[in-house]
Amino acid sequence: KNEVEQSPQNLTAQEGEFITINCSYSVGISALHWLQQHPGGGIVSLFMLSSGKKKHGRLIATINIQEKHSSLHITASHPRDSAVYICAVNQFYFGTGTSLTVIP
Amino acid sequence: GAVVSQHPSRVICKSGTSVKIECRSLDFQATTMFWYRQFPKQSLMLMATSNEGSKATYEQGVEKDKFLINHASLTLSTLTVTSAHPEDSSFYICSASTDGNGYTFGSGTRLTVV
Repeated sequence: KNEVEQSPQNLTAQEGEFITINCSYSVGISALHWLQQHPGGGIVSLFMLSSGKKKHGRLIATINIQEKHSSLHITASHPRDSAVYICAVNQFYFGTGTSLTVIP
Repeated sequence: GAVVSQHPSRVICKSGTSVKIECRSLDFQATTMFWYRQFPKQSLMLMATSNEGSKATYEQGVEKDKFLINHASLTLSTLTVTSAHPEDSSFYICSASTDGNGYTFGSGTRLTVV
């Protein structure tokens, strides 16, 4: 069993749709990260959370420490949001990623 | 914002040779740098953590003599893959932090050993 589970594994959405990616973890946490990886491989750190909620532009990340669950939301999705989104706990445990494709 | 430059982005080397990958923090001092490996269709795997001026801490199963990590300054860490073999072919990524409150990733290095 993986320490970090993400769902869904693959997601296709129409441009403009609201998107949610979920992350559940089973280990103790100091910080949870949401990462974005584009097809070329480069990784961008989107959020680092230890509690509550953070917002950056069209992206929102939430975490519930008691339930050991985090969500990444994308509002008004756009084709440029197409990427793999990875949930990481403590810079050590990584989910296998959610591959998002946004269709124009 | 903080930028981490990783170089080279792609490298092809012959089996048995060594390859050095550099990770530089361009506009901040990185007290801690992390090195990761990513196999195709898989997620990242932490290889080692390095703090400036001290020896790197390697994760279980990672050969320290094969993957040499040097963090000699607050802006530069290097990963050297020694005596590379085809099974070392992978995508290697670094990340850097100055205070543990934020992490910046490099763009990655795709290593192919032929």
